Amino acid sequence: QSALTQPASVSGSPGQSITISCTGTSSDVGSYNLVSWYQQHPGKAPKLMIYEGSKRPSGVSNRFSGSKSGNTASLTISGLQAEDEADYYCCSYVVFGGGTKLTVL
Amino acid sequence: EVQLVESGGGLVQPGGSLRLSCAASGFTFSDHYMDWVRQAPGKGLEWVGRTRNKANSYTTEYAASVKGRFTISRDDSKNSLYLQMNSLKTEDTAVYYCARDQHSGWSNWFDPWGQGTLVTVSS
Repeated sequence: QSALTQPASVSGSPGQSITISCTGTSSDVGSYNLVSWYQQHPGKAPKLMIYEGSKRPSGVSNRFSGSKSGNTASLTISGLQAEDEADYYCCSYVVFGGGTKLTVL
Repeated sequence: EVQLVESGGGLVQPGGSLRLSCAASGFTFSDHYMDWVRQAPGKGLEWVGRTRNKANSYTTEYAASVKGRFTISRDDSKNSLYLQMNSLKTEDTAVYYCARDQHSGWSNWFDPWGQGTLVTVSS
């Protein structure tokens, strides 16, 4: 299986909203297996931010939301904060995206 | 508190072997699938493999890149997960994370993750 496609980088200013896309095929992202999203700060372990496409684990800010359209899943972060600067990965089943570096300007 | 703690990483020569361990606490380990995921320096996440639970016969799956060289096992009596790595290659250099694999319907996700242990394959 090929890695899911994510933009290498996105950026936004504090308070703005950004969206990270995750594109796959009808066999992965477009299938019944809903995408999960992970946040990773430098030198730290990944942290689950979204599961089953749009659900937030307890303790994750409601500024994080997930959605899907066809073969593309998306992670939206609203009200950007400096602490959101990190790498973000999508995953369908056991296939990860290449990761997106979010820079908060 | 749900926690996973890896150990066993280090420097090994190409062709050598290493065994990683992951100690679990704060949840019923035996109920869960468990996975290993790795991250090469400066690179993204790569799934290594998984072991299912007793109810699913402890079956295992592996990424093509490690199949035949790596073996995942578990000891539910010790709440521990293992990764035996043989015939190591320089491209196996990475931080190795263990993660609890959760499922609902057709979907799965990894939560939590351990802090990771670094494996360096070099002569």
